[in-house]
Amino acid sequence: AQTVTQSQPEMSVQEAETVTLSCTYDTSESDYYLFWYKQPPSRQMILVIRQEAYKQQNATENRFSVNFQKAAKSFSLKISDSQLGDAAMYFCAYRRPPWEGAQKLVFGQGTRLTINP
Amino acid sequence: SAVISQKPSRDICQRGTSLTIQCQVDSQVTMMFWYRQQPGQSLTLIATANQGSEATYESGFVIDKFPISRPNLTFSTLTVSNMSPEDSSIYLCSVDVSETQYFGPGTRLLVL
Repeated sequence: AQTVTQSQPEMSVQEAETVTLSCTYDTSESDYYLFWYKQPPSRQMILVIRQEAYKQQNATENRFSVNFQKAAKSFSLKISDSQLGDAAMYFCAYRRPPWEGAQKLVFGQGTRLTINP
Repeated sequence: SAVISQKPSRDICQRGTSLTIQCQVDSQVTMMFWYRQQPGQSLTLIATANQGSEATYESGFVIDKFPISRPNLTFSTLTVSNMSPEDSSIYLCSVDVSETQYFGPGTRLLVL
């Protein structure tokens, strides 16, 4: 079974600086999807970024980018120019491709990010 | 993406009672998912609901406790039956659009 591990329960960063959140996963499959979701105090789960395993290029969404290392099964999230609104729980998630059957997301334990003004 | 609403947004219930949570999406989707997030924890999938078929439950979750309906391609309900304080959680529905899941705002349930 696939597992996702986030080894940093909490992280903090100064406003306007850069922070990297770590995620590792375990799978025997070659094709899959990886995601980062953000959950602010409102509890809404918000998609931050998505990466397809077959793509070598790292995904980027504005101030958010990933470092996807397939061989190492590592998928870290970098937040540049941190803003107060980035404060939230961040969850890393794994999903099998559609032709492999079950489409559920497997989540890591989460990292609570605090932004210091 | 998709716009998803859930009702109720929160509720306080007495043990032994049942609560039905509704999930409405603004477009037709094949798969809908129900997750539970216990206090301070990550999300765990309860079941996958496809229109026109029985829901598929994950290990540790049973239909008698969490019956699900999926009457059409834009709507689903999850019932939490015979509630106990251990059922106090946030319940989230999600939908799959182009191999990406989008989530509703969640229902915060407290069982006394």
